[in-house]
Amino acid sequence: EADIYQTPRYLVIGTGKKITLECSQTMGHDKMYWYQQDPGMELHLIHYSYGVNSTEKGDLSSESTVSRIRTEHFPLTLESARPSHTSQYLCASSGTSWGEQYFGPGTRLTVT
Amino acid sequence: GQNIDQPTEMTATEGAIVQINCTYQTSGFNGLFWYQQHAGEAPTFLSYNVLDGLEEKGRFSSFLSRSKGYSYLLLKELQMKDSASYLCAVRGNQGGKLIFGQGTELSVKP
Repeated sequence: EADIYQTPRYLVIGTGKKITLECSQTMGHDKMYWYQQDPGMELHLIHYSYGVNSTEKGDLSSESTVSRIRTEHFPLTLESARPSHTSQYLCASSGTSWGEQYFGPGTRLTVT
Repeated sequence: GQNIDQPTEMTATEGAIVQINCTYQTSGFNGLFWYQQHAGEAPTFLSYNVLDGLEEKGRFSSFLSRSKGYSYLLLKELQMKDSASYLCAVRGNQGGKLIFGQGTELSVKP
């Protein structure tokens, strides 16, 4: 069973607020990913990291930023939340050579 | 470009067999994954194919043909709890990144 955690699970916040979504894994995986998923739609990769101090933007443009100071921790920050940021955010990690990704439970964000 | 196609939705009867198809066009190929996602939950890994052929895991099997850019997920002895979205994802040639299809929403009826 994969051990990857996300907090908070649900968040309702007003426009303009700064928020950080937390993601931690206890498996020692080098690779970590953030996805955005709207209901009934596909997962879109917004950020990824292949190790400490390594971060890259994904395929979907996002106004968020990420950091990877420790192997187990990959937080995502929105400096100024907007209603268009309302979505589910999924964190994943991978440690095998063939790339299976384990997903956290997700954070459902609503910006009012 | 990179593209993954799956049917949007399917319906099947409890106890039956259902096949969910996936076709892909990607820059390079380093494996195909199937995930199950229940509504409001995170995806969970089902299967992985990197070589042509069939991989069987209990009630679930997955098939790959690299020359045709085609895979299918076969679910046998369907149960009500199998009602979920099934995501096809391909690992291309850009490191560990996966490209996901939109998912196939499967409804299992009594």
